[in-house]
Amino acid sequence: DQQVKQNSPSLSVQEGRISILNCDYTNSMFDYFLWYKKYPAEGPTFLISISSIKDKNEDGRFTVFLNKSAKHLSLHIVPSQPGDSAVYFCAASGNNDMRFGAGTRLTVKP
Amino acid sequence: DVKVTQSSRYLVKRTGEKVFLECVQDMDHENMFWYRQDPGLGLRLIYFSYDVKMKEKGDIPEGYSVSREKKERFSLILESASTNQTSMYLCASSSGQNHYGYTFGSGTRLTVV
Repeated sequence: DQQVKQNSPSLSVQEGRISILNCDYTNSMFDYFLWYKKYPAEGPTFLISISSIKDKNEDGRFTVFLNKSAKHLSLHIVPSQPGDSAVYFCAASGNNDMRFGAGTRLTVKP
Repeated sequence: DVKVTQSSRYLVKRTGEKVFLECVQDMDHENMFWYRQDPGLGLRLIYFSYDVKMKEKGDIPEGYSVSREKKERFSLILESASTNQTSMYLCASSSGQNHYGYTFGSGTRLTVV
């Protein structure tokens, strides 16, 4: 039972353009949402998060949007850089439980 | 620089062997977790611990056990390794609420032959 879904296994964008990574969840009890970035042969690193009481959180080139009614969140990266190429995991947290999506591999082409 | 250290980056073990994966964190975190990462399946929780000598089953505990004798150390044990346990294993720790995210180790790529 996948409570957090990332339906796009991969995404390719041109350097300088916007990257949009999407995530859907099913459990209304989740109250915090996070994005992690993972390079090959490394563990995931925390990137950005958003509380369920907000609909947007911005940190430099990274912005996360939350649509609670649709149970959907997205990560926008603007402008995209080749160093952003990695696997991005969406995670949802609630009641001391955290669930991860399957990940989306982002490739940013120079 | 705070971190989570996993003892091995790569391991190759034979079917039926008992395998120990060690994880140590230096952040005085209460919570520690073991995940496995497989293509298309993301991160799946094997076991977790919120305190010393405490352990809870995650989503896929079968074939695994854990030990937490000290706050900083959380060990994952494969009682009798099987080929379907070939995977990337990730240890993570956190303090208090999950809002601050987990700190992950670099992972152990285990191959069971």
